[in-house]
Amino acid sequence: NAGVTQTPKFRVLKTGQSMTLLCAQDMNHEYMYWYRQDPGMGLRLIHYSVGEGTTAKGEVPDGYNVSRLKKQNFLLGLESAAPSQTSVYFCASSYTPDSFRFTDTQYFGPGTRLTVL
Amino acid sequence: EDKVVQSPLSLVVHEGDTVTLNCSYEVTNFRSLLWYKQEKKAPTFLFMLTSSGIEKKSGRLSSILDKKELFSILNITATQTGDSAIYLCAVEVNGNKLVFGAGTILRVKS
Repeated sequence: NAGVTQTPKFRVLKTGQSMTLLCAQDMNHEYMYWYRQDPGMGLRLIHYSVGEGTTAKGEVPDGYNVSRLKKQNFLLGLESAAPSQTSVYFCASSYTPDSFRFTDTQYFGPGTRLTVL
Repeated sequence: EDKVVQSPLSLVVHEGDTVTLNCSYEVTNFRSLLWYKQEKKAPTFLFMLTSSGIEKKSGRLSSILDKKELFSILNITATQTGDSAIYLCAVEVNGNKLVFGAGTILRVKS
């Protein structure tokens, strides 16, 4: 099992360019999440998905879009990159099909370091 | 607004020391509190706490939750250089979402 993988690992963009970050998991997890991590601010939830075909906004969704067309993949898009989106992006997944259960552990990917000039 | 605050922000100790990391929270609909260790890349899971007063232990690491005073501590005894990392506290709220604190940067000197 590869667990949670992310591509690319690094990317440099110019302001206004677009890109898509890909997250893939092979654990058959229902829930998937995108976070960004900035110095001194911990991880902040951008968007998440509770199943194939569903997405929802997290704490800092502005400037990002997501899609979950297949259960194993969760894509994060930046339509028009801004320097404020320079960050490290982490994808995570967890099982948790039942909202009355305590959450299963979230498993994190290795991260994507994005710089917007 | 849900909030998780960790202290100290950073800490430098010598090998063999014992450290205590703190996490306090103010959230609606608390479900659980989690601790993660982050070295160079992805955070890795340490503990999940759901009940007050029950210590969870794994080797030299232990953690406990106080739901009345809304905080948790993570203890590391006999620290080693391999314990150097960022320690993240997160609280699960409704919808299986995690709210993270800013983290504590621990550096263990040999």
